[in-house]
Amino acid sequence: AQSVTQPDIHITVSEGASLELRCNYSYGATPYLFWYVQSPGQGLQLLLKYFSGDTLVQGIKGFEAEFKRSQSSFNLRKPSVHWSDAAEYFCAVGAKAAGNKLTFGGGTRVLVKP
Amino acid sequence: GAVVSQHPSRVICKSGTSVKIECRSLDFQATTMFWYRQFPKQSLMLMATSNEGSKATYEQGVEKDKFLINHASLTLSTLTVTSAHPEDSSFYICSVPLANGGNGYTFGSGTRLTVV
Repeated sequence: AQSVTQPDIHITVSEGASLELRCNYSYGATPYLFWYVQSPGQGLQLLLKYFSGDTLVQGIKGFEAEFKRSQSSFNLRKPSVHWSDAAEYFCAVGAKAAGNKLTFGGGTRVLVKP
Repeated sequence: GAVVSQHPSRVICKSGTSVKIECRSLDFQATTMFWYRQFPKQSLMLMATSNEGSKATYEQGVEKDKFLINHASLTLSTLTVTSAHPEDSSFYICSVPLANGGNGYTFGSGTRLTVV
């Protein structure tokens, strides 16, 4: 069964500083990998996804993520955080062989200090 | 394209009553839909997989008699929370895999259920 771990429950970062959110997955083959953002009381917005090919993926809002097969990781990064980036971030893994079920990590809440 | 409409966005119901949540694909056909539940400050947990024309597949620990899923057409799946209790209060969200996940997933906007 596939699983996703986001080791950091909370991260506080100053506005303008860089941000990195960790994500580790467990799956026998290369799954589909996603990062979503959720603002309080809202639905999910896709930031980026990885299926295959270039391991560095560019997303919306200036986010990028790098797939590292050797580390089973898909960490999300942003060079300079804006106050509007304060939200909950979820890493997710899906796989066709697993019935296309999307499994979510526990989430990381990002707080942005002025 | 690939828009999923979920209704209602918010619902308050009395304990013991049933609530139906609809998830509708607007511009494409969805043979499979996933239903998730999210408790406050927690992650999304998969409840069940809704399959058009057949019975839903429930995740371990999810009561199929309490959470009735019907996927009667290629564009509509419904989740009915029967005999709702306050502990069923949660955020419910549906998701549709696009091209068997190969093109990602699209999500409904979610339903905030409060049982009083």
